[in-house]
Amino acid sequence: NAGVTQTPKFRVLKTGQSMTLLCAQDMNHEYMYWYRQDPGMGLRLIHYSVGEGTTAKGEVPDGYNVSRLKKQNFLLGLESAAPSQTSVYFCASRRTGELFFGEGSRLTVL
Amino acid sequence: AQSVSQHNHHVILSEAASLELGCNYSYGGTVNLFWYVQYPGQHLQLLLKYFSGDPLVKGIKGFEAEFIKSKFSFNLRKPSVQWSDTAEYFCAVNREGRDDKIIFGKGTRLHILP
Repeated sequence: NAGVTQTPKFRVLKTGQSMTLLCAQDMNHEYMYWYRQDPGMGLRLIHYSVGEGTTAKGEVPDGYNVSRLKKQNFLLGLESAAPSQTSVYFCASRRTGELFFGEGSRLTVL
Repeated sequence: AQSVSQHNHHVILSEAASLELGCNYSYGGTVNLFWYVQYPGQHLQLLLKYFSGDPLVKGIKGFEAEFIKSKFSFNLRKPSVQWSDTAEYFCAVNREGRDDKIIFGKGTRLHILP
């Protein structure tokens, strides 16, 4: 029973490089979310999806893109990484209000 | 804009002390409220949630929270903390019927002295 799985767990990028974080859930949840966690800032919502083929902006969407081509997957992309995007990224899926989180992906942008 | 405020950024207590962590939100409509906990090195887990009904909600590990609508508050309490409660605690809010965002506060880091 995997729940929510994020890959990769760690990544180091150079400024300007692109990358994609993958989130996969096996609970058949409609809703999925991407957050970033920074010291003293809590979790800030980047983008979310209410179902396959849908995406919506959260609190801090700039510099990120997302796609939800399949219900079980929610991808977060950085087209041109910046040092300000150094963070821990958490994906979550949602059932009746409760969020189920992945273990996080630590991204460092040099 | 919807916001969630946690007033205590860092709390240090001794074992067996009582705990109360504050949470206020800015939205005036119907809300769903949550407290999540993040133990060191782990991802967030749900402690408790409020959707409707009894404003005093009981969660796991002896935690409870009280929804006071007039004060826009959802404070977390525990009568007697343990060393294992050392963690970061996050309050979160969803505006029912408005959108599907779940917005978190900045968190309170709780350190329990043995």
